[in-house]
Amino acid sequence: EPEVTQTPSHQVTQMGQEVILRCVPISNHLYFYWYRQILGQKVEFLVSFYNNEISEKSEIFDDQFSVERPDGSNFTLKIRSTKLEDSAMYFCASSEIRNQPQHFGDGTRLSIL
Amino acid sequence: SQQGEEDPQALSIQEGENATMNCSYKTSINNLQWYRQNSGRGLVHLILIRSNEREKHSGRLRVTLDTSKKSSSLLITASRAADTASYFCATDGSVRGAQKLVFGQGTRLTINP
Repeated sequence: EPEVTQTPSHQVTQMGQEVILRCVPISNHLYFYWYRQILGQKVEFLVSFYNNEISEKSEIFDDQFSVERPDGSNFTLKIRSTKLEDSAMYFCASSEIRNQPQHFGDGTRLSIL
Repeated sequence: SQQGEEDPQALSIQEGENATMNCSYKTSINNLQWYRQNSGRGLVHLILIRSNEREKHSGRLRVTLDTSKKSSSLLITASRAADTASYFCATDGSVRGAQKLVFGQGTRLTINP
């Protein structure tokens, strides 16, 4: 069964450094998402992406965050200057069309030192 | 804000028993989805129920939706040790563009052998 893959599984970065989290969504899916889950807290929506542009973003997704679909398969989340509070599990998801299930990857654990 | 909130927060039952988890939300929705998360892993989609549906089944899972009460329930019948996980409801109330799922805090389910 097709699945969403994320790399790396764990990223350790110094505060202030840039980090890029990578995702390969399911190939025939059109909608892409990033969520994060701070340890012990709820899964929070960050951003949705459709037709090569951001569809919606949350208050968390400030100017330090950006997303890109550089080619036909990858979907990336960049954090320009990481803060301690960016430490979390970041999940990528994709869905075929609206009103269909979102399929999640196993996540990237981001640790900011 | 539109939030799915599950109860109970934790549930511990014997293998073979049924487990029922509830979810409440605040605003109108397009659909409600249930996900499972094993410790340290990604979210696995279980069932999507649309706002015009009242009940849905998938194997040992049964989901109900009451839009007048803004609530949903997930029933797992004949539980197994492998069902031990956290279960989340997520609501989609987006009016355009891609979905934006809002997750609850989750129910931690433990199945005792």
